[in-house]
Amino acid sequence: QKEVEQDPGPLSVPEGAIVSLNCTYSNSAFQYFMWYRQYSRKGPELLMYTYSSGNKEDGRFTAQVDKSSKYISLFIRDSQPSDSATYLCAMSANNQGGKLIFGQGTELSVKP
Amino acid sequence: GAVVSQHPSWVICKSGTSVKIECRSLDFQATTMFWYRQFPKQSLMLMATSNEGSKATYEQGVEKDKFLINHASLTLSTLTVTSAHPEDSSFYICSARDLAGVLPDTGELFFGEGSRLTVL
Repeated sequence: QKEVEQDPGPLSVPEGAIVSLNCTYSNSAFQYFMWYRQYSRKGPELLMYTYSSGNKEDGRFTAQVDKSSKYISLFIRDSQPSDSATYLCAMSANNQGGKLIFGQGTELSVKP
Repeated sequence: GAVVSQHPSWVICKSGTSVKIECRSLDFQATTMFWYRQFPKQSLMLMATSNEGSKATYEQGVEKDKFLINHASLTLSTLTVTSAHPEDSSFYICSARDLAGVLPDTGELFFGEGSRLTVL
């Protein structure tokens, strides 16, 4: 079993739709949860991060962490074609010196 | 945000040759850098952790003699793929850890643009 599981998609939605991206994990020591966006043939860029459980909102993006279920989500409201990218979840435990474990990434396509 | 430069962005080489990829943090000092490998439509697989002034720490299954890592300064880490073979063809990405970034304790990671290696 992988430490982090993420549905690779691809996921195709119409412009304006609400997108839900999810990851599950098995390591209960994970405390830091991140979402990265990666455009084709580029390096990932940090989109959102959450420490421990709870929700975090930033504009059209909302990140949720449910540690009891070992489940994290990223919601994108009013999706735009420019949101088309691969979204990777990543996690880290305390005292790991920045070492992240990544999910497989979900390829999202937002159609105009 | 901080910038990490990776060079070259793509390289084609013959089997048996060695290829060096550079990773530079342009506006911050990075005591720790990470090297990843990414196959098409797959996740980033951590290869090694590069620490300035000391030997790199390799993940299980990664050949340290094949993937040489040098982190000689606070702004530069290099990955050398020695005696490259077609199966080494992949997208290699580095990240640099900025302890002054937004993430507490872990430091924020900034990624390079990646280097696509094709071995003929």
